Amino acid sequence: DTAVSQTPKYLVTQMGNDKSIKCEQNLGHDTMYWYKQDSKKFLKIMFSYNNKELIINETVPNRFSPKSPDKAHLNLHINSLELGDSAVYFCASSLSFGGGTEAFFGQGTRLTVV
Amino acid sequence: AQKVTQAQTEISVVEKEDVTLDCVYETRDTTYYLFWYKQPPSGELVFLIRRNSFDEQNEISGRYSWNFQKSTSSFNFTITASQVVDSAVYFCALSEPGFQKLVFGTGTRLLVSP
Repeated sequence: DTAVSQTPKYLVTQMGNDKSIKCEQNLGHDTMYWYKQDSKKFLKIMFSYNNKELIINETVPNRFSPKSPDKAHLNLHINSLELGDSAVYFCASSLSFGGGTEAFFGQGTRLTVV
Repeated sequence: AQKVTQAQTEISVVEKEDVTLDCVYETRDTTYYLFWYKQPPSGELVFLIRRNSFDEQNEISGRYSWNFQKSTSSFNFTITASQVVDSAVYFCALSEPGFQKLVFGTGTRLLVSP
């Protein structure tokens, strides 16, 4: 049973389109995240949610809108996709808010904008 | 400011060699947490270890060991008797209380050849 699962695993789309990535965790964790990994493998936080509340928005363009319908889900919607949005997006969760617990990651969604 | 430096971009070893991956961190806080993650060629991020700043004991888990030295702000990772399956990108990361995010280093790609 997958702990953090995200769909789809691969996403190829044209510039200007809108797309969503879904994430679900079955670990009972309070905190969920989106991270972006660029082509050089650099990983950076995008958003952090605690109990469905947005805690961190790390200067991400407004075209990216996360939504957390409940503690177990954190979806990412991207409007007007640009070439520079091509990356691997990772969803993650951790037990609590506060920095002291490890995050468990989904398998990643490789987004390619053409 | 939080920062993690992994100066080794890529390391190549032959199976059964020991290898150490370096991690140097910067933080102004006295309480912080350090992590190592493994990203194999399949792309997922696998949690390896978490260490808090008050626990400077070295840790060993099978062929893996970690050396945490606050005096040099380093948290190095050693793989003993490396195996081909150890080939991956390894990330060191830092988090602080109140900042619910992981700050990652740029990763070290380890290639273990038979």
